[in-house]
Amino acid sequence: DTAVSQTPKYLVTQMGNDKSIKCEQNLGHDTMYWYKQDSKKFLKIMFSYNNKELIINETVPNRFSPKSPDKAHLNLHINSLELGDSAVYFCASSQALTAYNSPLHFGNGTRLTVT
Amino acid sequence: DAKTTQPTSMDCAEGRAANLPCNHSTISGNEYVYWYRQIHSQGPQYIIHGLKNNETNEMASLIITEDRKSSTLILPHATLRDTAVYYCIVLYDDMRFGAGTRLTVKP
Repeated sequence: DTAVSQTPKYLVTQMGNDKSIKCEQNLGHDTMYWYKQDSKKFLKIMFSYNNKELIINETVPNRFSPKSPDKAHLNLHINSLELGDSAVYFCASSQALTAYNSPLHFGNGTRLTVT
Repeated sequence: DAKTTQPTSMDCAEGRAANLPCNHSTISGNEYVYWYRQIHSQGPQYIIHGLKNNETNEMASLIITEDRKSSTLILPHATLRDTAVYYCIVLYDDMRFGAGTRLTVKP
């Protein structure tokens, strides 16, 4: 079983569209995250959720909204997609937020291409 | 910005030990040193972490200096499949990844 799974793997869409990326973890972790990896390969944290509460919200556009129906899921909704949103988006989970002894487990990414 | 400094790239011969250094001179007392790697375009993979003692698991060993200002990740017998970008992270509550070290294992 895949520990952290995200769908779809690839997403090609046009500017202005609204899309969602789903993420599920079966590790029983309390915290889930979304990271963005741009063309320069830097990984930047976007959001994290701990027990259904948004804990970290980096300076991302409000077109991006995380939604967590339960502890095992954190979906990413993106409205009015722009060319600059093209990137690989990674979901991750950990046992606890800022528990320094708690590794992150990542999914395999969703490659979003906005045309 | 990440609190770590790593070489941009390194090469290693297959079968030899790969020693990847990381400087983290501003590490605070309760921050762990974490290592991850990213193979091609896959999701980052957790390797190992430690606080002040040296650590070893099935993937690698982590050597942390006594003053905790630097550490070394050791892959004891590098294989071609170990070619990846290796990230050293200590600012854990900020969860920021730096540029990492691109390790190329050569036959």
